[in-house]
Amino acid sequence: KAGVTQTPRYLIKTRGQQVTLSCSPISGHRSVSWYQQTPGQGLQFLFEYFSETQRNKGNFPGRFSGRQFSNSRSEMNVSTLELGDSALYLCASSWSRQHANTGELFFGEGSRLTVL
Amino acid sequence: TQLLEQSPQFLSIQEGENLTVYCNSSSVFSSLQWYRQEPGEGPVLLVTVVTGGEVKKLKRLTFQFGDARKDSSLHITAAQPGDTGLYLCAGARGGTASKLTFGTGTRLQVTL
Repeated sequence: KAGVTQTPRYLIKTRGQQVTLSCSPISGHRSVSWYQQTPGQGLQFLFEYFSETQRNKGNFPGRFSGRQFSNSRSEMNVSTLELGDSALYLCASSWSRQHANTGELFFGEGSRLTVL
Repeated sequence: TQLLEQSPQFLSIQEGENLTVYCNSSSVFSSLQWYRQEPGEGPVLLVTVVTGGEVKKLKRLTFQFGDARKDSSLHITAAQPGDTGLYLCAGARGGTASKLTFGTGTRLQVTL
């Protein structure tokens, strides 16, 4: 059974640009969550999608957005990139919102974004 | 505000030693998870504990959830180099909230 797939794995952008990251959840998983991981702040929740609807959102500015498609695949977008957006962006999927709620998350390997 | 504090932050031990990692909070969680993350990979779920006082064992790893569901510990017996990694605790609040609050992390290195 394929795991959570994130693309691209690595990317470099400059300040002011925008970036789109993609996540394909485990087959059958309908809940997709996004987290940002940095050395200073650790793992912080960005948002969660279920059935193509954003169900929960963390404390990030509006430059961070996402969406989910009918096949449960998800994308997140960061506009007007800042140096502080450099981080590992992790996508996690789970069977249902209940499983996401109890922390039974399956993470991808992440997309490492560097902003210069 | 960091709701889950882990200690120690770093731990370097030799193979065969025992260790305990602590995860503490002033908040109550409906469940608590432990993950291990290796360089270049995403976190991998090790265990979920949901009942106050619950103890779960996974081979050489023992997990305990505090009676008040505010804290947890991870004990590793006879550590091996393969245990090296970043250990993260994460708490869930229950209800309709689907986001996890992650701990500050404990980086463990086990050497031969």
